[in-house]
Amino acid sequence: EVQLVESGGGLVQPGGSLRLSCAASGFTFSSYWMSWVRQAPGKGLEWVANIKEDGSEKYYVDSVKGRFTISRDNAKNSLYLQMNSLRAEDTAVYHCASGRQLGYWGQGTLVTVSS
Amino acid sequence: QTVVTQEPSFSVSPGGTVTLTCGLSSGSVSTSYYPSWYQQTPGQAPRTLIYSTNTRSSGVPDRFSGSILGNKAALTITGAQADDECDYYCVLYMGSGIWVFGGGTKLTVL
Repeated sequence: EVQLVESGGGLVQPGGSLRLSCAASGFTFSSYWMSWVRQAPGKGLEWVANIKEDGSEKYYVDSVKGRFTISRDNAKNSLYLQMNSLRAEDTAVYHCASGRQLGYWGQGTLVTVSS
Repeated sequence: QTVVTQEPSFSVSPGGTVTLTCGLSSGSVSTSYYPSWYQQTPGQAPRTLIYSTNTRSSGVPDRFSGSILGNKAALTITGAQADDECDYYCVLYMGSGIWVFGGGTKLTVL
């Protein structure tokens, strides 16, 4: 059974940093692109970033470029999202998902940016 | 900047058929946009229904189907059931590694 479990969310002040993690199991993690998608409270889904199987390609939505970094550790079956210079508008539930077309989703971790 | 468009809301009768669409503010959707569809009930993670225009995800009943209709991607639900009442999102590949979601459609079954 495929499982994606996010962690690392919490309350952070504007300008602060957080590192999200996603632990994957039940599939060959190193063979899949991985993605992050977020959902602000009461709003729709927003694609944030994805990363190629070997980490050699990474893509970001414009609003997070230069502030967020996606990475992965295939030996640990883990995906990460380093978020710096956080803003109030980054407040959302962050989901990791398998593949570029988001085959499987985790339940998400809530990030709240507020003073 | 191109926006991905979806109907904000739609209504269908139990047992009926409904087609939700996913378009572009400028231009036409084709299979080259790899349209995918997701279902989300409140408080839950999204569930993948359709990817690459018309490929059903594992375990998704054949009541759900994807296609290109005219200049839009489409999700058709036949034999609508009460638990189909939730939010539906499409996503399109815009090139250069970038994906963009539509704003979502709230489907009511009544």
